[in-house]
Amino acid sequence: AQKITQTQPGMFVQEKEAVTLDCTYDTSDQSYGLFWYKQPSSGEMIFLIYQGSYDEQNATEGRYSLNFQKARKSANLVISASQLGDSAMYFCAMRLTGANSKLTFGKGITLSVRP
Amino acid sequence: KAGVTQTPRYLIKTRGQQVTLSCSPISGHRSVSWYQQTPGQGLQFLFEYFSETQRNKGNFPGRFSGRQFSNSRSEMNVSTLELGDSALYLCASSLVSDRMNTEAFFGQGTRLTVV
Repeated sequence: AQKITQTQPGMFVQEKEAVTLDCTYDTSDQSYGLFWYKQPSSGEMIFLIYQGSYDEQNATEGRYSLNFQKARKSANLVISASQLGDSAMYFCAMRLTGANSKLTFGKGITLSVRP
Repeated sequence: KAGVTQTPRYLIKTRGQQVTLSCSPISGHRSVSWYQQTPGQGLQFLFEYFSETQRNKGNFPGRFSGRQFSNSRSEMNVSTLELGDSALYLCASSLVSDRMNTEAFFGQGTRLTVV
């Protein structure tokens, strides 16, 4: 069974600075996808970035980048130039291939951006 | 392009009652998944429907059920409500469901309170 671990307590970052949100995962499958979602107080989960297990390059999407270290089974999200609107819960998730391909989420991390 | 629509947004029910939640996926998406989110347990997978068939099911009691219609709209039903069923119920829509890179688009959720 797959597992996602997010253990950081609430994180704080100063506006315009960079922040790293940690995620480790566990699976015996070789084929898997890793996702980061943002959940503001409104409740909707917003897709941020995706990394496939076979991707050799780290994924980037605008201010978001994913620091993928396969041997360590970690997939940390880096947000550069934080903005006040980045204050939200952030979830790391994994999906396998095939019939059991549901998204498995970590517990999430609360990020607060200070002006 | 319309996003994922969940109705109602808020519900208050009494213990022992039953409730039906609705989810309209993005046009063309055939997979709908349901998740329960609580502060204590985080995001937990309930079930997934693809082309009107349940493909995957999480570890929830039989009081939780769902279905999908020919237009891909999905409903989930919870019978004999318990206080512990109070949660944010999120619906996710995808084009397909068995690939590791399948991106899920979420609705804003239905917040259910059982009193």
